[in-house]
Amino acid sequence: GNSVTQMEGPVTLSEEAFLTINCTYTATGYPSLFWYVQYPGEGLQLLLKATKADDKGSNKGFEATYRKETTSFHLEKGSVQVSDSAVYFCALSEKAGNNRKLIWGLGTSLAVNP
Amino acid sequence: GAGVSQSPSNKVTEKGKDVELRCDPISGHTALYWYRQSLGQGLEFLIYFQGNSAPDKSGLPSDRFSAERTGGSVSTLTIQRTQQEDSAVYLCASSAGNTGELFFGEGSRLTVL
Repeated sequence: GNSVTQMEGPVTLSEEAFLTINCTYTATGYPSLFWYVQYPGEGLQLLLKATKADDKGSNKGFEATYRKETTSFHLEKGSVQVSDSAVYFCALSEKAGNNRKLIWGLGTSLAVNP
Repeated sequence: GAGVSQSPSNKVTEKGKDVELRCDPISGHTALYWYRQSLGQGLEFLIYFQGNSAPDKSGLPSDRFSAERTGGSVSTLTIQRTQQEDSAVYLCASSAGNTGELFFGEGSRLTVL
């Protein structure tokens, strides 16, 4: 079945460091790919998405490119801030009949120190 | 409302009691999901409602868990005879259609003593 694998955390970085959180997937067909973020004490929210191969999703300085050849959707940011400290979830959306279900990675905790 | 609303935000109960958790999705969203998030764990899918279709209950961990969605809007997740391992944050999300983009509530934290 379809699955999502993301790098284990926690990841600890200093402010202004470069961030990469790896995400790879297995899927049949052409799923959409997502990164969700959960800030401390808040609900999950969509960070960015890509719906087809070679698409790049971007938001708040974060980017991820849908790479079909490597089945990856790695999250990157050039210069992290303390406010980026959160848990990041990679997910894919599969179509099953008329329904859509999301398959989730386990989440990667990021802590950014000043 | 403007976002997905869940209540209660916190619930402490004794083992063996029944609990009900409520989710009010974004108006007009046809899809509604319940997930469970345990400490240090990822998201565990519980149940999915899409319009008038039969719900996908494949994630419910036992027959103590059930959910309803009345009138295609508000949903209630019921846990009967709660156990300590039911302690978790229960998340509700809604979606406008077949996009896969979900809008989450802040969750209901359940503690079973």
